[in-house]
Amino acid sequence: AQTIHQWPVAEIKAVGSPLSLGCTIKGKSSPNLYWYWQATGGTLQQLFYSITVGQVESVVQLNLSASRPKDDQFILSTEKLLLSHSGFYLCAWSLGLGGSSAETLYFGSGTRLTVL
Amino acid sequence: QEKVQQSPESLIVPEGAMSSLNCTFSNSASQSIWWYQQHPGKGPEALISIFSNGNKKEGRLTVYLNRASLHVSLHIRDSQPSDSAVYLCAVGNMGYKLTFGTGTSLLVDP
Repeated sequence: AQTIHQWPVAEIKAVGSPLSLGCTIKGKSSPNLYWYWQATGGTLQQLFYSITVGQVESVVQLNLSASRPKDDQFILSTEKLLLSHSGFYLCAWSLGLGGSSAETLYFGSGTRLTVL
Repeated sequence: QEKVQQSPESLIVPEGAMSSLNCTFSNSASQSIWWYQQHPGKGPEALISIFSNGNKKEGRLTVYLNRASLHVSLHIRDSQPSDSAVYLCAVGNMGYKLTFGTGTSLLVDP
C-alpha cells in the first residue's frame, strides 16, 4: 500500500526567515507529485507539479520554490517568508499514467504554517 | 484561467435526507470533474469523478454533468452525520492542472 508522509505537521516562523517543507511517498515508483496551498478560509491552489526526478513546473508564483531530489521526495522552500505565506500546505501524488486532471490525487495530512 | 464556483457555501440537512451540492465552471472543454471531501485539518479525499456528459452513481453518491450549462452537481442520498465535511469541486484541464472551487460546508444534523 502507498503512503504519503508530510513534515513538519506545523510550523511557526518569523517573517523573513527561511522555510523547508517536505513529503515522501512510499510504495509507488515514479508518481506525479504536487504541492497545493490553502489560505485560511481560502481556495486550494496548485503551486507546483513534478512528473519526474529533477523536473518541477510552477503553476502560480508565490515566491516559493520546489524541488524533487529523489523519486519519492518533494520539497517546498523559500529563503524569505512573507506574512502571505501563512496557510495549509498539502502535498499530493497521483499514479503518473497521465495528467492530474485524469487521475485521483492522494493528499497528505498537510503542514500548518503560521508566519508572524 | 478556469473559474470554479460552488453553491451553497454551507448546507444543513437532517440525517437521512438528500444533500445536493452545485458547481459551475468556465471551460466547456474541461477534461474532468472531481468531487473531494475534506475534514477539518486534513487533506482532501477523492469521492467521485466524471468525464463525460450525463450522470454517474457510486453507492450513495450521484453526480450529474451538463457541459452545455457548465454545471455539475453532487447528490448524497441518505446523508449521515459522518458525511459532515467540506466538499470541493475540482475541474481538470489537459495536462497537470486541477482547479478547485471554494467548497460547500455540509452539516448533517442527527
